[in-house]
Order: sequence, then structure tokens, then C-alpha cells
Amino acid sequence: AQKITQTQPGMFVQEKEAVTLDCTYDTSDPSYGLFWYKQPSSGEMIFLIYQGSYDQQNATEGRYSLNFQKARKSANLVISASQLGDSAMYFCAMREGRRGGADGLTFGKGTHLIIQP
Amino acid sequence: ETGVTQSPTHLIKTRGQQVTLRCSSQSGHNTVSWYQQALGQGPQFIFQYYREEENGRGNFPPRFSGLQFPNYSSELNVNALELDDSALYLCASSLSGTTTLAKNIQYFGAGTRLSVL
Repeated sequence: AQKITQTQPGMFVQEKEAVTLDCTYDTSDPSYGLFWYKQPSSGEMIFLIYQGSYDQQNATEGRYSLNFQKARKSANLVISASQLGDSAMYFCAMREGRRGGADGLTFGKGTHLIIQP
Repeated sequence: ETGVTQSPTHLIKTRGQQVTLRCSSQSGHNTVSWYQQALGQGPQFIFQYYREEENGRGNFPPRFSGLQFPNYSSELNVNALELDDSALYLCASSLSGTTTLAKNIQYFGAGTRLSVL
């Protein structure tokens, strides 16, 4: 069973608009972390934002915020005031807490975001 | 810039050959994880090294092996290359040994693109 599901293979958004990238996850571990990464065409995975399963508030990092709905197992990324440089692949990932996270990150298939001028 | 460097950037091998990929971790990090990213897919966890020992492994055969050195740099070795091994190989470093996942964010290098002919 897929642990991370990203249902939007591609999205086109006008510059300066806000955009929401969807992510749902599945785990029975009560302790887990959720991550969003950006991957430009150069290939490097760039860390954007983190949300812990016990965090009471939604995470924010500059223009990025994470809409965390634990009961729905949803962790959507919101980018405010999109810019042309935001065009990239975006990946949602999860690490479960058992074994201290030694089992690595589980990634979704990604969303290809294209910002149009 | 994450401070994680990988070499080489590109590599072409033929089926049956062996390959070694290298990764230098970010200063202060003690853990290295390796991922395989096939074209159009999210990265898949291969294994993780902590204190020079493998402490986590994904669903990859034993012909995928690794090393971590005292300076925390790492190598990924793949024996008996197959066509399906063609992918982007990503290395990530992090700081383990803390009690919460929040401090264990993985920072990625730009990857090595391996083509197997």
C-alpha cells in the first residue's frame, strides 16, 4: 500500500497566485515526521518544510506553510505569492519514528508545478 | 547549497559492470542515506549509514552495498549492473542521535546520474 499519495501529477498556476499541493499519508506509527522537498531540473532535492506528528501548530517557513490535518492524514503544502522560480517538482515525504527513523524517507510520486507569467 | 557533494555527476556503464558512487556529507552531520530515483518517480530509500554501520535498509538486493568512513563520507557500490539500475542516485546527510525526528532533517546532494547500457 502506498504510504504517501500525491494526486496532482501536474499543476499550472499564474505568477503571484497562491497554490496548494496535496499530500495524504498512511501510517500506524503515532510518531512520524512529514517533509516537503523541491526538486528543480538540476536534480538536487531542496528541503522546504517539516511537520512533526505531535506538533500542535501548522509549520511555516517564509512563503511556505503546511496545512496539517492529522485526522484526515493530510499534509498539504501551501505556497503563497508564487514566483517563476517556484517551477519545479515537489515531493511529499514521511519518516516513521520507529527505529529512530533509520528506515529512511518514503516519498510520493511528486507534483510538477509550473508557474506561468 | 546544502554542503552535500556527490561524485561523479554523470556515469555510463554497461550491464554486468560494477560502479562506486561517492558522497561527502555536510559538516557536522554523522548520518548518510542513499536513494534511487528512477525517471518520473519519487526517490526510493536504499540504505542508511550511522557510525560507519548500516542501520537501515530499503527493499534493495545485496548487490547494493555501501561504506561510511570516519569522516562520515560514504560510498554506494552496485555490483552486476542491470539496465533497471539506470537512475539518479541521491545522497542525503543528517544529524542523528537526537531524540526527536525534528532535528533529523535530511539534506541532499545534486545526485549522480547513472546510465546502464
